[in-house]
Amino acid sequence: NAGVTQTPKFQVLKTGQSMTLQCAQDMNHEYMSWYRQDPGMGLRLIHYSVGAGITDQGEVPNGYNVSRSTTEDFPLRLLSAAPSQTSVYFCASGTSGGAGGELFFGEGSRLTVL
Amino acid sequence: SQQGEEDPQALSIQEGENATMNCSYKTSINNLQWYRQNSGRGLVHLILIRSNEREKHSGRLRVTLDTSKKSSSLLITASRAADTASYFCATEWIQGAQKLVFGQGTRLTINP
Repeated sequence: NAGVTQTPKFQVLKTGQSMTLQCAQDMNHEYMSWYRQDPGMGLRLIHYSVGAGITDQGEVPNGYNVSRSTTEDFPLRLLSAAPSQTSVYFCASGTSGGAGGELFFGEGSRLTVL
Repeated sequence: SQQGEEDPQALSIQEGENATMNCSYKTSINNLQWYRQNSGRGLVHLILIRSNEREKHSGRLRVTLDTSKKSSSLLITASRAADTASYFCATEWIQGAQKLVFGQGTRLTINP
């Protein structure tokens, strides 16, 4: 059982470049989310989805786009990368956002923007 | 910031001792969860306590919740070297259902 799979694990971008962080889960979870983790800041919610075709903003959505065309996949797009987006990104899935129980996290994608 | 606060930020104890971490939050919640993160890895769920519960146990873990003080504590008894990790509390706010808000974490080091 793979759980939550994130790719790539590491990425270096130049300012202004675009890229997509991929997230896939094989647990048939309706809820998926993206967090970023910065030193001393804990995890901050970027975007989340409660099902295919439904997405919403979290705490720090600016500079990021998401879509949810299937239950399994929830990609995070950076349209024009900025150094402030250097961070570790985590995708998580669950049966709900929290009331239903735990979130399952991927291993993270480490992004550096030069 | 909408995050909760955890205390202490770092804790170093000897193997076999108990470790206590605290979490305070700002508004009414549906539930509170604790997660562990080993260095360079993703977060792993430890325990969930609902707003109508006061205490919960799971193995060597004991979690308490005081909604009147808007605080929670995580106690790890008889610590082991493998418990070395960062520990995060996460709250689901009533107004922000389906949004888990994480604290900044406590970095726990267990010395052999």
